[in-house]
Amino acid sequence: NAGVTQTPKFQVLKTGQSMTLQCAQDMNHEYMSWYRQDPGMGLRLIHYSVGAGITDQGEVPNGYNVSRSTTEDFPLRLLSAAPSQTSVYFCASSPQGRPNSPLHFGNGTRLTVT
Amino acid sequence: AQKITQTQPGMFVQEKEAVTLDCTYDTSDPSYGLFWYKQPSSGEMIFLIYQGSYDQQNATEGRYSLNFQKARKSANLVISASQLGDSAMYFCAMRPFGNEKLTFGTGTRLTIIP
Repeated sequence: NAGVTQTPKFQVLKTGQSMTLQCAQDMNHEYMSWYRQDPGMGLRLIHYSVGAGITDQGEVPNGYNVSRSTTEDFPLRLLSAAPSQTSVYFCASSPQGRPNSPLHFGNGTRLTVT
Repeated sequence: AQKITQTQPGMFVQEKEAVTLDCTYDTSDPSYGLFWYKQPSSGEMIFLIYQGSYDQQNATEGRYSLNFQKARKSANLVISASQLGDSAMYFCAMRPFGNEKLTFGTGTRLTIIP
């Protein structure tokens, strides 16, 4: 069972560079989301999607774009990286309409912007 | 909007003792779910336990139990007979029914002392 797969695991960017964090899930989950984790701040929601073709902003969306062309994939794009985007990024998914179903997380991407 | 408060940034507990990790929440939604996750030093997010707001009994999963006091809006995690492998960050989270967005607290770092 692959679950939620995130790539890459580590990435170093220079300020102003762009990149895409990949996320794929094989559980046919409708809901997918991206979080960033910073020390002392817990996990904060960046963007989420409730199905293919539908995305919406979370708590900290600035500087990030997402798209959802298929149920399986939910990439996160940094258009022009900034040092403030240095963080650990988690992709997570869950089925819709099942309140007791937890989010399934990928293993995270550690991003450093210099 | 939901808010989760974890007031203990760090805790040290002797091995084999029980430990309670505090979590309070604020929401205007009448129905919601509460989740606890463990994040060991390796970084992955591990789901531990779920409590629904309408559940009559406190949730239990092995050595984990949830002390749910709805009127006080608290959902404390109790770990019985702590083990060295319990050393990790622990996050409390909640989401309203009908909304897949999960809101996290800032976490508690638990260290088990041999």
